[in-house]
Amino acid sequence: EAQVTQNPRYLITVTGKKLTVTCSQNMNHEYMSWYRQDPGLGLRQIYYSMNVEVTDKGDVPEGYKVSRKEKRNFPLILESPSPNQTSLYFCASRLAVSTDTQYFGPGTRLTVL
Amino acid sequence: SQKIEQNSEALNIQEGKTATLTCNYTNYSPAYLQWYRQDPGRGPVFLLLIRENEKEKRKERLKVTFDTTLKQSLFHITASQPADSATYLCALDPGGGNKLTFGTGTQLKVEL
Repeated sequence: EAQVTQNPRYLITVTGKKLTVTCSQNMNHEYMSWYRQDPGLGLRQIYYSMNVEVTDKGDVPEGYKVSRKEKRNFPLILESPSPNQTSLYFCASRLAVSTDTQYFGPGTRLTVL
Repeated sequence: SQKIEQNSEALNIQEGKTATLTCNYTNYSPAYLQWYRQDPGRGPVFLLLIRENEKEKRKERLKVTFDTTLKQSLFHITASQPADSATYLCALDPGGGNKLTFGTGTQLKVEL
């Protein structure tokens, strides 16, 4: 089954404790991205990757890192999480160009205390 | 600055009626406009994409219009059903393959 998977689905952590949210897709998609969703602000892009070893900042990259060492995986790293990073996070992927369908993962609900 | 506006108030309609949702934008020249459906606690699901040179796109009970002069897209669901109840998001893409900006979504409730 074609899908985007994220882990963990739920995470409660404390300020400053490094964490990684994994994202994997099995559709051989070139393009992957991370979003956060907050009430009243909608989905905002954090980082995106056009292909392996190619990443760039989205609208809200501060406090986040990403890597794209393999085509299927695009982990989101929070080196020193803070309470304002409490949010619902979505990974997404699409084959290549803008007209290709974008698929979203199920989401990761992160709470930073 | 770029702004995408969707009606933040929930839209309540009766089963069988046509639901019409609005997406307005300013300071933006999208090459593509997309509509997504999002159910509570789940990721958005792609529904339709319309290009800037297309006026209208249809898919089963869904219809999207795109007016670049008015800077507006309308999303219609005909013969609505309770199963259509969800939040609907519009998203604008300037082209070039790297950027998609989402509106905050409109919640639709279809009542029996």
